[in-house]
Amino acid sequence: DAGVIQSPRHEVTEMGQEVTLRCKPISGHDYLFWYRQTMMRGLELLIYFNNNVPIDDSGMPEDRFSAKMPNASFSTLKIQPSEPRDSAVYFCASSFARGRNTEAFFGQGTRLTVV
Amino acid sequence: QQQVKQSPQSLIVQKGGISIINCAYENTAFDYFPWYQQFPGKGPALLIAIRPDVSEKKEGRFTISFNKSAKQFSLHIMDSQPGDSATYFCAANPGGYQKVTFGTGTKLQVIP
Repeated sequence: DAGVIQSPRHEVTEMGQEVTLRCKPISGHDYLFWYRQTMMRGLELLIYFNNNVPIDDSGMPEDRFSAKMPNASFSTLKIQPSEPRDSAVYFCASSFARGRNTEAFFGQGTRLTVV
Repeated sequence: QQQVKQSPQSLIVQKGGISIINCAYENTAFDYFPWYQQFPGKGPALLIAIRPDVSEKKEGRFTISFNKSAKQFSLHIMDSQPGDSATYFCAANPGGYQKVTFGTGTKLQVIP
């Protein structure tokens, strides 16, 4: 398996523009997570899905952020409109709830710069 | 609300030395404590994990020490190597739940 695949790897956009980040989880995994990483706040969980259903979106900073998972192999995180303070590395991760073992597999991230 | 506190924020260790990173948690429902390692430009990857029914787990040069009564756990890297230079995150999640809470990270630099 190629692991969790995120695209694009880098995104530079102007303030006010819409940004869409994409994620393909590992096949067979039933959990998908979106994280944001910044120097100031570390790794923050934004939202996670179980079997394509959003379970907890309490980490989504504001209404400008939205996430969807239309099927088991694809998820998007959208920011509209984007602001400079949204600049960060966004990670997607997936996991498979097998018994008590829990390992999240992360993608390589999307580095977003909003200018 | 920060549920997992990690220290130090950064650490410089000589090659061959011992690197120690500490974490503390508050939520007694946590029952799985993984450590993740992140290299620049990469996503975090699971390094080693422990459950509270044991006080120590060792995998190669990496050891987790766990103190349930104090609600603290730590990562020890023995014989630290320059290739260990990375950011390390402690984490925790409650039993039966996949939602992982991460510490703030420790940037480790191992110098020759």
